Amino acid sequence: QQQVKQSPQSLIVQKGGISIINCAYENTAFDYFPWYQQFPGKGPALLIAIRPDVSEKKEGRFTISFNKSAKQFSLHIMDSQPGDSATYFCAASNQPGNTGKLIFGQGTTLQVKP
Amino acid sequence: DTEVTQTPKHLVMGMTNKKSLKCEQHMGHRAMYWYKQKAKKPPELMFVYSYEKLSINESVPSRFSPECPNSSLLNLHLHALQPEDSALYLCASSQEPGPYEQYFGPGTRLTVT
Repeated sequence: QQQVKQSPQSLIVQKGGISIINCAYENTAFDYFPWYQQFPGKGPALLIAIRPDVSEKKEGRFTISFNKSAKQFSLHIMDSQPGDSATYFCAASNQPGNTGKLIFGQGTTLQVKP
Repeated sequence: DTEVTQTPKHLVMGMTNKKSLKCEQHMGHRAMYWYKQKAKKPPELMFVYSYEKLSINESVPSRFSPECPNSSLLNLHLHALQPEDSALYLCASSQEPGPYEQYFGPGTRLTVT
């Protein structure tokens, strides 16, 4: 119930293409869903986040789509660039208790080919 | 500014050593976190401090001892570690404890020999 399942494990996209990473969860008490981008040897950087009261959020080339009934959310990277090559983690906040605990997916390694 | 700083960047220690990791944020955040990350894995939560009080300990071995001296500073004291404790140790902070944006530091790469 506490898991967040992320797919695919790895992804290769051509420059200019669309990268799509999917996550699914079981716990309906989750109410905050961030995405993190991590480059080798660096800490995760918050990319974009969504709450269940909206179905989509866009920031620049990055869009989160959220399907509450299906308990799924996804990250779309438009016009993918080689600089986007990194590992991406989805996450969900753990309720109850408002502890701030994040449950992470297993990660997706994205490679954007020039 | 959403900067969380961590020192040192790299640390090599023997199994009998005592060392400390330091984390600092000046964003006025009231929740701070320690995570451990192994290669090609997601971060794993270790501890949560809420308003300078330990609120979560994810059953972490006692050889890891956290400390929050003030609202801006978080330490992780290390003693008698094992080689399997080698990992990237990440600090994060958020405005409040709860479902808010967490900002991570660059991490300390720890190697236990």
